[in-house]
Formats: sequence, structure tokens, C-alpha cells
Amino acid sequence: RKEVEQDPGPFNVPEGATVAFNCTYSNSASQSFFWYRQDCRKEPKLLMSVYSSGNEDGRFTAQLNRASQYISLLIRDSKLSDSATYLCAVIPGGGADGLTFGKGTHLIIQP
Amino acid sequence: EPEVTQTPSHQVTQMGQEVILRCVPISNHLYFYWYRQILGQKVEFLVSFYNNEISEKSEIFDDQFSVERPDGSNFTLKIRSTKLEDSAMYFCASEDGVKDTQYFGPGTRLTVL
Repeated sequence: RKEVEQDPGPFNVPEGATVAFNCTYSNSASQSFFWYRQDCRKEPKLLMSVYSSGNEDGRFTAQLNRASQYISLLIRDSKLSDSATYLCAVIPGGGADGLTFGKGTHLIIQP
Repeated sequence: EPEVTQTPSHQVTQMGQEVILRCVPISNHLYFYWYRQILGQKVEFLVSFYNNEISEKSEIFDDQFSVERPDGSNFTLKIRSTKLEDSAMYFCASEDGVKDTQYFGPGTRLTVL
């Protein structure tokens, strides 16, 4: 299984600011892309799927760049409750169906 | 909202013992998965299961591991002879086969002494 790389952070960001993370993947055949959120010692919770044309869900925007093999997540007007670890996940394709996760980016929103 | 459930939430066992971790996937889902996360490390794929058979497994999923769907609702992971390095959170996930999106259970924390 090829790798998914993320900057581990932590990103310390004041409440109300905009923050962006990137994630790179090494398998060019990868088909499906996701952002999950994980709180300390909890399960990954799906934040959003990432589509080729980019997609938005409220304050969250995800982008996919297949040529450069990275996906991004933008959080606008950050809230204290956004503090968590954000996991990038990829389905490699080629018949594989399990998710390959990055190590996650730790985000701390400061009041 | 339907959710994946897992039992027990915490399992403590002695090295060499067998453990069975249980999961109840979301009821209309068709694909089932097990992942593990060693403390401080990334979530790692173990195995996927569809139509009553394994569809993919990782190099972590060796002969000590097995999965089963013994009835219409449960999905289990068995570790035959646990090692210290099996200590981790084990997450079950399920997917409906349409949206390619996996939903995770709350996990079982396995501690091997």
C-alpha cells in the first residue's frame, strides 16, 4: 500500500481565522478521497468526501488536484469545536477497497 | 441516525490468549472493514469483507487474524494468540456499496499484558 502524507502540525489558529491543510498521496491510480475528523481517543468521523470538481459543506471546502496528487481542506471562520486531528484518507483503487490514512494534522483553535 | 456499534469498549487480555472483537455494522450496509490504530500512530487497514468472504487484506492481517459474519448482524475479528504489539484501538467500519463512504464504530481498546 502506498503512502498518504500529511503535515502533523500542530496548527495553532485563533478563533475566527481561516486554516488550510494539504495531503499528498503517492498512488496515481487512487480513486476516492476523504477527510475525516478524529477527536482524542475516538473513532474517525467522516467530514466530507472530496470530488474532482471540489466541494463545499458550510465552512469546509475540499479540493482535489490529480496532476499534483494532493487534496486540501479549507476551514473558514474556525470555531473552538473545530479543534481535532484531521485525517486524509484515500482508496487506492485497482480493486483495493480499504482506506489508506495519513497520520493526521492536529488543529488547535485558540480563543 | 444509524451507527456502527462495537463491543466491548475495552478488552484486557494476557499474551497468548484468544480475543474476539464484535461489531454490528449499519443494517443495510454490504461492505465491512476492520482497522487498527496503535497509540500515537495512524489508522491502518486490516481487512475488508463482502458477500461473506474477505475481499482484501493487508500485510498486518496474518494467520493470527480471522474475520467472520456469523449471522445477519454481527461481524467479528478474532486474534488467535495475542502479542504485546497487538495492543491498539480496533475500529470496525461499514459501507453501503453506493457512496464509497465508510462509517466507523467507536472502537475497542485492546490491551495485551
